[in-house]
Amino acid sequence: AQTVTQSQPEMSVQEAETVTLSCTYDTSESDYYLFWYKQPPSRQMILVIRQEAYKQQNATENRFSVNFQKAAKSFSLKISDSQLGDAAMYFCAYRSASRTDKLIFGTGTRLQVFP
Amino acid sequence: KAGVTQTPRYLIKTRGQQVTLSCSPISGHRSVSWYQQTPGQGLQFLFEYFSETQRNKGNFPGRFSGRQFSNSRSEMNVSTLELGDSALYLCASSQGLVETQYFGPGTRLLVL
Repeated sequence: AQTVTQSQPEMSVQEAETVTLSCTYDTSESDYYLFWYKQPPSRQMILVIRQEAYKQQNATENRFSVNFQKAAKSFSLKISDSQLGDAAMYFCAYRSASRTDKLIFGTGTRLQVFP
Repeated sequence: KAGVTQTPRYLIKTRGQQVTLSCSPISGHRSVSWYQQTPGQGLQFLFEYFSETQRNKGNFPGRFSGRQFSNSRSEMNVSTLELGDSALYLCASSQGLVETQYFGPGTRLLVL
């Protein structure tokens, strides 16, 4: 069975600085998607970034970028120029691209941003 | 395009009652998934519907049920509510069964 592990329960960063959130996963599949979702205090789960496993190029969305290491099964999220609005729970998630299955979430990392 | 909507946003019920939550997916999306989020258990998958058929089911008792209508809107029902059912219930929609899921704002259920 697939698993997603986020080993950092909490992280903090100063405004305008860069922070990296870690995520590792375990799967025997070769075709899958990886996601980072953000859940602010409003509780709405917001998609931050998506990575297709077959793409070697790391996904980027404005200040958010990932470091996808397929062989190492690692998928970290880098937030550059951190802003106060980035404070939230961040969830790493996995979904198979080749068969019907649920989205598998990690336990989340709480990010605090200090002015 | 309008996002995923969930109604109601907040709900207070007492033990033993039943509750129905509603989810309207993004236009054109045919798959709807439901998740329960609690501080103790984190995010847990309830079920997924596609074209009015349940395609996946999580490990929840039979008190939790759902359905999907021909317009892709979905409802989930919890009967004989227990205190432990207090949670945030999240609905997510996607175009198909393997595409990206987009979440609604959630329904916060409190069981007293």
